[in-house]
Amino acid sequence: ETGVTQSPTHLIKTRGQQVTLRCSSQSGHNTVSWYQQALGQGPQFIFQYYREEENGRGNFPPRFSGLQFPNYSSELNVNALELDDSALYLCASSTVPADTQYFGPGTRLTVL
Amino acid sequence: GENVEQHPSTLSVQEGDSAVIKCTYSDSASNYFPWYKQELGKGPQLIIDIRSNVGEKKDQRIAVTLNKTAKHFSLHITETQPEDSAVYFCAASNANDGGSNYKLTFGKGTLLTVNP
Repeated sequence: ETGVTQSPTHLIKTRGQQVTLRCSSQSGHNTVSWYQQALGQGPQFIFQYYREEENGRGNFPPRFSGLQFPNYSSELNVNALELDDSALYLCASSTVPADTQYFGPGTRLTVL
Repeated sequence: GENVEQHPSTLSVQEGDSAVIKCTYSDSASNYFPWYKQELGKGPQLIIDIRSNVGEKKDQRIAVTLNKTAKHFSLHITETQPEDSAVYFCAASNANDGGSNYKLTFGKGTLLTVNP
């Protein structure tokens, strides 16, 4: 059974640019949640996707957007990058929205 | 919204000793409490979870206790080993919410160091 995978591992962008992060859910999981983890902090919920629809959103501005595809993989898009967007972005998948969430290794985004 | 407080922020123990990490939550509707272990450069790994219909759960050297009245839950690691060294996070969510609020709210983490 393949676990949650994320790409790329690391990314460096400059302020104002746009970025797309990708996540493949664990086999049999149809729900993907995205979290932002700043250095030294716990993960903060961005949003969740279930059956290709957004299913809940945290306190993040609209420039954070996402997609889920028919194979349940997902993308996180961030427009107009700001320095404070530098963080580890984590994707977690679950069988259904209320079930246990299993995390991927994350994508480290650095905004200069 | 939910707020989760975690203590201590750092914990250093000798190999073989026990370690206890405590968390409190604010939303009485929360009913699912997982614990994650995060090693440097990796994503959080689920180590144990508990739902509000039980007061304690054990898995080998790891146990979690839940006090719904006081709104706090704790992670207990016995016979600690150097490979237990990592950052541990507690989290809470309302897994029965019929809407769209299955997010996990995390504590700020505890850096556990097990000295050989």
